[in-house]
Amino acid sequence: NAGVTQTPKFQVLKTGQSMTLQCAQDMNHNSMYWYRQDPGMGLRLIYYSASEGTTDKGEVPNGYNVSRLNKREFSLRLESAAPSQTSVYFCASTRGSGGFYNEQFFGPGTRLTVL
Amino acid sequence: SQQGEEDPQALSIQEGENATMNCSYKTSINNLQWYRQNSGRGLVHLILIRSNEREKHSGRLRVTLDTSKKSSSLLITASRAADTASYFCATVRETSGSRLTFGEGTQLTVNP
Repeated sequence: NAGVTQTPKFQVLKTGQSMTLQCAQDMNHNSMYWYRQDPGMGLRLIYYSASEGTTDKGEVPNGYNVSRLNKREFSLRLESAAPSQTSVYFCASTRGSGGFYNEQFFGPGTRLTVL
Repeated sequence: SQQGEEDPQALSIQEGENATMNCSYKTSINNLQWYRQNSGRGLVHLILIRSNEREKHSGRLRVTLDTSKKSSSLLITASRAADTASYFCATVRETSGSRLTFGEGTQLTVNP
């Protein structure tokens, strides 16, 4: 049981390049999330998927797109990377769909640098 | 904007001492959760307290919630060097489903 996995672990991009961050969970969770964490700060929600087939914007969605490929996988795409997107990206999942009482399980993160 | 604000931002103590971290929030919540993050790692859930609960324990952890003051505290008793990490509170608002809103965290250093 791997939990939440993310690829890649590290990535360096040039401004304007595109890339997709991959996330998968093997816990049969309904809801999945993408966060970014900047130095010395908490996590900010980029996008989330409450259930398979649905996605919604979070607090900081500009410059990103997501795809809930199936129940297990939730990807985050940067179409044209900017230096302001340099951050650590975390994927998370939780059991419920709209439930209030669920802890989230986090992946190890992807460290992205945009030059 | 961050829902939660933790204080202190940084805390340094000796092994064996207790560590207390505080979290304040602005809107009505359904529950509040505490997470730990070791350097360079993902977050790990520690404890969840619901809005109708006032205190909860888990091992060496004690969490309190005061909804009238919109605040929570996390107490770690008999701290160990392995407790060195960043600690974040996160709230689930009444209207946000399962979405979490994180504070900026407290960096705890436990010196051996």
